[in-house]
Amino acid sequence: SQELEQSPQSLIVQEGKNLTINCTSSKTLYGLYWYKQKYGEGLIFLMMLQKGGEEKSHEKITAKLDEKKQQSSLHITASQPSHAGIYLCGADIRGGSNYKLTFGKGTLLTVNP
Amino acid sequence: DAGVIQSPRHEVTEMGQEVTLRCKPISGHDYLFWYRQTMMRGLELLIYFNNNVPIDDSGMPEDRFSAKMPNASFSTLKIQPSEPRDSAVYFCASSFGLMGRAGNTIYFGEGSWLTVV
Repeated sequence: SQELEQSPQSLIVQEGKNLTINCTSSKTLYGLYWYKQKYGEGLIFLMMLQKGGEEKSHEKITAKLDEKKQQSSLHITASQPSHAGIYLCGADIRGGSNYKLTFGKGTLLTVNP
Repeated sequence: DAGVIQSPRHEVTEMGQEVTLRCKPISGHDYLFWYRQTMMRGLELLIYFNNNVPIDDSGMPEDRFSAKMPNASFSTLKIQPSEPRDSAVYFCASSFGLMGRAGNTIYFGEGSWLTVV
């Protein structure tokens, strides 16, 4: 089973609508990272959350970390076609010296104009 | 800064051939990672280096895969012999310090798209 589960797998919204993407870990989170990927390109770093309850925003994108629930959410307000892409969450869920950054399978976001 | 540079961007090769993917990390970064991305399995960590030394290669699928980092500015991922199931996007990434520990960001290259026919 996937150690980091993202939901939904894909999402189609109308421009201007709000949306939320979730990332849930089966293990304790040691840092949670959000990346965006466009087809044919690499991963672009969006935000990193480390502490329970932490919330960060960048332009119209807000990410929160619920450490107790081992979950993070990414919220986009008033979506635009430029927000379209694949959103990936990544986390170090191993701890200790055996560092390993694990990623979810991603959420494909389509924003229709 | 130029970012993480990977080559080739696209490679089509025949089954059985040797494939070498190259990566130049961001200058000053002491961690280098190789990832593979497929539709079925998502993004998987293959191997990572710290100060040019391989630390964890448990993600390397089998002996056909090997990775080297002869110096701080260059790494290779080699597949020999290649098979159709190796078709994927291979990403190289680098960071300064351990992500999650020091709150550092890991930066990704644009990937090498490999197709084995």
